Amino acid sequence: SQTIHQWPATLVQPVGSPLSLECTVEGTSNPNLYWYRQAAGRGLQLLFYSVGIGQISSEVPQNLSASRPQDRQFILSSKKLLLSDSGFYLCAWSSKRGYNEQFFGPGTRLTVL
Amino acid sequence: KNQVEQSPQSLIILEGKNCTLQCNYTVSPFSNLRWYKQDTGRGPVSLTIMTFSENTKSNGRYTATLDADTKQSSLHITASQLSDSASYICVVSAGTGTYKYIFGTGTRLKVLA
Repeated sequence: SQTIHQWPATLVQPVGSPLSLECTVEGTSNPNLYWYRQAAGRGLQLLFYSVGIGQISSEVPQNLSASRPQDRQFILSSKKLLLSDSGFYLCAWSSKRGYNEQFFGPGTRLTVL
Repeated sequence: KNQVEQSPQSLIILEGKNCTLQCNYTVSPFSNLRWYKQDTGRGPVSLTIMTFSENTKSNGRYTATLDADTKQSSLHITASQLSDSASYICVVSAGTGTYKYIFGTGTRLKVLA
């Protein structure tokens, strides 16, 4: 069966510090991968998606970036965090076949102080 | 503009009661519609997925309906339990094999003893 992991689970970082969130998927190959941010009481905002290694598409201009160094690894990064980067970050994957149903990871709660 | 609207925004019911959550969408081309349950601080978990030709789908005490003509869906929860307290998110996929997922902002359900 497929599983998706995210770490860390929680993170408290000062403004201006760098960020690296990691997401890995097991039990599937060549998945589509996604990074979302969910602000308190708000819907999910798509940040990046990837259809393959090294292929990243950005949905929202911001100080965040994403990379996919391996087929089942997706990394969200920032060189300098802003207060507005605080939120709940979710990684998801979907198959390229069938109904492309998305499966979400457990999430990372990021607080920027 | 592709959009998914959910109502009510929040709902409080007593344990054992039934409730119905609504989802209206304007998404084209329509591929499928999913309902997710998201516990606080966790990633969303899929409850049901429905395609254009499906009217009703059940998953235990959860029953989703879809009216593709009026572009409406509902999620009915029967004999609610305390563990049903969560946010319920309606997501519509635009097209097949694409990354386009349109998220509603969710209904926050609280079940009281």
